[in-house]
Amino acid sequence: QVQLVQSGAEVKKPGASVRVSCKASGYTFTTYDINWVRQAPGQGLEWMGWMNPNSGYTGYAQKFQGRVTITRDTSINTAYMEVTGLRSEDTAVYFCAREFEGGLDVWGQGTTVTVSS
Amino acid sequence: AIQMTQSPSSLSASVGDRVTITCRASQDIRHDLGWYQQKPGKAPKVLIYDASSLRSGVPSRFSGGGSGTEFTLTISSLQPEDFATYYCLQDHNYPYTFGQGTKLEIK
Repeated sequence: QVQLVQSGAEVKKPGASVRVSCKASGYTFTTYDINWVRQAPGQGLEWMGWMNPNSGYTGYAQKFQGRVTITRDTSINTAYMEVTGLRSEDTAVYFCAREFEGGLDVWGQGTTVTVSS
Repeated sequence: AIQMTQSPSSLSASVGDRVTITCRASQDIRHDLGWYQQKPGKAPKVLIYDASSLRSGVPSRFSGGGSGTEFTLTISSLQPEDFATYYCLQDHNYPYTFGQGTKLEIK
């Protein structure tokens, strides 16, 4: 079946970087855009950015420009989202999601990133 | 960036009630809006896309309406499994933006 499986939880110190992976299966990875969304504890959903896995073209919310990078490895059907210069406010659950026919129809299970000294 | 204003932020209702949640966009987004349901500890799930199209497998008690700047999600007869948090998401242009969410609680 169509699914996105994300990497496991991470604990990082302030100033460090984290890379979260999102492995796609059950469909042709390069056909549909991948979006990244995060959710801080007890807060709402926040859209971070997107990538076209075929071209590698990306776009980001202004808040994340320069600090977030989305990439992919098409040989293993995997998208990555890296955040640099982590701060406590980046503590959140990070989700990848496939965009299909105008909706984010398949989501990863989420990756908890905790930033703490 | 397009701002999405969702209301109410919380809603208390009973099983069998009809409820409506509203999202307003800061500019015309045509029909480019989706509705998502999220339960605690889970990833969101798309219910409605393109403002009024019901996702396959989603019960017909969910419906979406509106266009331009004003949109609604209606649940015609609340079921116990519907108590969750709901978000709208505009995908008209980048950056996509979510509404603040509506927490639907049991009265």
